[in-house]
This record gives sequence, C-alpha cells and structure tokens, in this order.
Amino acid sequence: KNQVEQSPQSLIILEGKNCTLQCNYTVSPFSNLRWYKQDTGRGPVSLTIMTFSENTKSNGRYTATLDADTKQSSLHITASQLSDSASYICVVSGGSGAGSYQLTFGKGTKLSVIP
Amino acid sequence: SAVISQKPSRDICQRGTSLTIQCQVDSQVTMMFWYRQQPGQSLTLIATANQGSEATYESGFVIDKFPISRPNLTFSTLTVSNMSPEDSSIYLCSGGTGSSSYNEQFFGPGTRLTVL
Repeated sequence: KNQVEQSPQSLIILEGKNCTLQCNYTVSPFSNLRWYKQDTGRGPVSLTIMTFSENTKSNGRYTATLDADTKQSSLHITASQLSDSASYICVVSGGSGAGSYQLTFGKGTKLSVIP
Repeated sequence: SAVISQKPSRDICQRGTSLTIQCQVDSQVTMMFWYRQQPGQSLTLIATANQGSEATYESGFVIDKFPISRPNLTFSTLTVSNMSPEDSSIYLCSGGTGSSSYNEQFFGPGTRLTVL
C-alpha cells in the first residue's frame, strides 16, 4: 500500500531557530516528491519538487533533501519566521500509473513559530 | 503556474441539502481534481474532473453523492448532495499543468463546509 509518513506530527520552535521535518514513503514506482506549505484556511502551496535523481533542492530558506534509496526526505527551514507557522505536507507522486498525477499525501507536520 | 479560485470559501448547511462548489482556473490546465481534507487528516482524492465527460471517481466516492462537471478547461463544479454532518470538511480543487515531468498541481484555497 502506498503510504507517506511524516514526523513529527507537530513542532514548536522559537523565531530565528532552524528545524527539520521528516518524511518516509513507500510509494512505488516513484515519480517525484513534493513539499507543500498549507497555511490555516488556505490551500497547499508548492515549496519544492524533486525527482529521484535530485538529492537536494532549495527555495529561499527552505531546503529539501531526498534519498531515493532509503525512501526518505527532509525539509529544513533556516532562520524561522513567524510566517513559517503552517502545516507542511510531504506528497509523493507515483504508484499506479507512475508519472501521472497520482499523489499520496502525508498528514503533515504542524509547525508553530513563536516569538 | 496557475491561480485557482473557489466559491464559496465557506458555508454552513442543513442536513439533507446540497451545495455546489465552483472552481475557476486562470489558465488552461490539462487536469482538474477535487480533494477532501477532513480535520487533522491528509488530502483525499475524490475524483478527476474530465472535460466534457463523466468524472473518474476514487474508491469510496460515487457520482450520486458527489456529481462533478467540467464544461471547459478552466472551470469545474463539485456538488455535495444530501449532506450529513459527516460531510463537514474542506473541499479543495486543484489543476495540473502536465507541462513537465513534475506534473505540477496547484491548489485552490478550499471551501470549508459545515453541515448541521
């Protein structure tokens, strides 16, 4: 069964600190892995997308890594800001009809950045 | 990228009634999808909206309960029929461009539905 597991479920950090969110997946065959940021009451917004050949990708203060061998990914947030408070969702594309739009969503990590 | 809007943004409805949610994309997209996000849960795909033909539903979702239309490449509607409190959820529309191997998907802001 295709699954995406994220940890931790929730996280509280002080403004200015760094943090790392984890994602493990069992989706096969694998097409790509995405990290989305979802603010409360809004739809998910894409941060990064990586194919199996990409080990790391950055988007400003967000850096995602991918280890396709161990089927793990991480999202590192540097110098956190209050506006980083949101849910971060790991999404893997693949499974049946790999290369199509089949997406498997994690439950997300709820990040709270406090002053 | 594509900008996706949804109407209404939220609604409170009575049991047994129906609500139609509209999704508008600012540019043509290859694919359009409807998702449900229950509190504290991940997104679940309801169906793929096909232009000019019947939608393709995922296991556990049926056309009688969630009729979907897509008359053109930029517009789709989802109706939640004969609602019950269990239908209370956020409903999200997304559009896929298919312009690269990434098959990028862009999401609308969601419609927060509460059924009393």
